[in-house]
Amino acid sequence: RKEVEQDPGPFNVPEGATVAFNCTYSNSASQSFFWYRQDCRKEPKLLMSVYSSGNEDGRFTAQLNRASQYISLLIRDSKLSDSATYLCVVKTGGFKTIFGAGTRLFVKA
Amino acid sequence: NAGVTQTPKFQVLKTGQSMTLQCAQDMNHNSMYWYRQDPGMGLRLIYYSASEGTTDKGEVPNGYNVSRLNKREFSLRLESAAPSQTSVYFCASSEVESGRLHFGNGTRLTVT
Repeated sequence: RKEVEQDPGPFNVPEGATVAFNCTYSNSASQSFFWYRQDCRKEPKLLMSVYSSGNEDGRFTAQLNRASQYISLLIRDSKLSDSATYLCVVKTGGFKTIFGAGTRLFVKA
Repeated sequence: NAGVTQTPKFQVLKTGQSMTLQCAQDMNHNSMYWYRQDPGMGLRLIYYSASEGTTDKGEVPNGYNVSRLNKREFSLRLESAAPSQTSVYFCASSEVESGRLHFGNGTRLTVT
């Protein structure tokens, strides 16, 4: 079993749609959680950190469920520019950071 | 503010050749990392350096060596390239407190 698992997609949605991604992690001692965005042939960039209480940044909402060991990302009012791969990232302490394989999103006009 | 700079951007090697990937960061971060990314897989850690003068193996260190030359620079060396090392390589640095990783633009390496 992979330490961090994501649905690879792709998710194909129209502009304006709401789309949700889920991610599960296996190590219950994991300490920090993030969503990164990666555009085609580019480097990953931090989208947002994920906090236990849930957090929002504009159209993006992240949730963490420690009991079930899953993380979610909700994108509201999707834009064409949201098309990218979204990486779920879990830090288990020290210098061990585990990346999920990513979920691809295509937003269509 | 350049952030993390990697060179080269592209490289083609023949099996058995050697090369060094260079990485430098100007954010005064203590920690630096080398990852590889292959299709359908997440980024996998090759080596990391928690601070100047220290290096440690990550998940997939075989076939690679690293040098933390100073606080700014962290290089990755392939002594004898193999086709299995065809990949995209990313260097990163991080703020220890937040855990946020800052990545370079990547190096696309093909080994024939």
